[in-house]
Amino acid sequence: SYELTQPPSVSVSPGQTARITCSADVLPKQYAYWYQQKPGQAPILVIFKDTERPSGIPERFSGSSSGTTVTLTISGVQAEDEADYYCQSADSSGSYPVIFGGGTKLTVL
Amino acid sequence: EVQLVESGGGLVQPGGFLRLTCAASGFTFSSYWMDWVRQAPGKGLVWVSRISSDGSSTSYADSVKGRFTISRDNAKNTVYLQMNSLRVEDTAVYYCARGPGADYFDYWGQGTLVTVSS
Repeated sequence: SYELTQPPSVSVSPGQTARITCSADVLPKQYAYWYQQKPGQAPILVIFKDTERPSGIPERFSGSSSGTTVTLTISGVQAEDEADYYCQSADSSGSYPVIFGGGTKLTVL
Repeated sequence: EVQLVESGGGLVQPGGFLRLTCAASGFTFSSYWMDWVRQAPGKGLVWVSRISSDGSSTSYADSVKGRFTISRDNAKNTVYLQMNSLRVEDTAVYYCARGPGADYFDYWGQGTLVTVSS
């Protein structure tokens, strides 16, 4: 199996743009997914298949992919966006069908 | 409205067992793969196990293989995780999650806390 590498933390001021990256050699071949998790709550899917946004997720959340890195971008960050964000991908060849990144704590200053 | 409600967590001694239950509603349960994902206190998400929509295929993380068993009852819209020979390192919040494909999760339950301690 492989690892998805995320920065442990990202900090931005309200109204600015937050970018959270996730890297792995497999990402050009596998889709990436992003989850938001607030303290004491279950994860919520915010981006699927690299760039798609589920219904009900604000438009300020977007995803992109370039080579071995995918990026979750939150434009016009709001205080309510402070949370942990996890990237996730699939591994059809390994014994672990689902792999999560280590998570990134987004702090809104 | 899709709902996943876990139950069955609690405090158990090392070597003990628990059975987690995830009750699903608001969707055609028998059409979806279902997974269990856990999160140790202060740590990240870790995949544990999955079961196919008809229950014929299962898979497990190496850390739980041989100790945990996933099953489902499509007539009751329920998925189970039987956890035997529990270890301290199994302490975590256990989430059930719905997989629209085999690759990701679009809905999660609220989780149930399993604490393994003497």
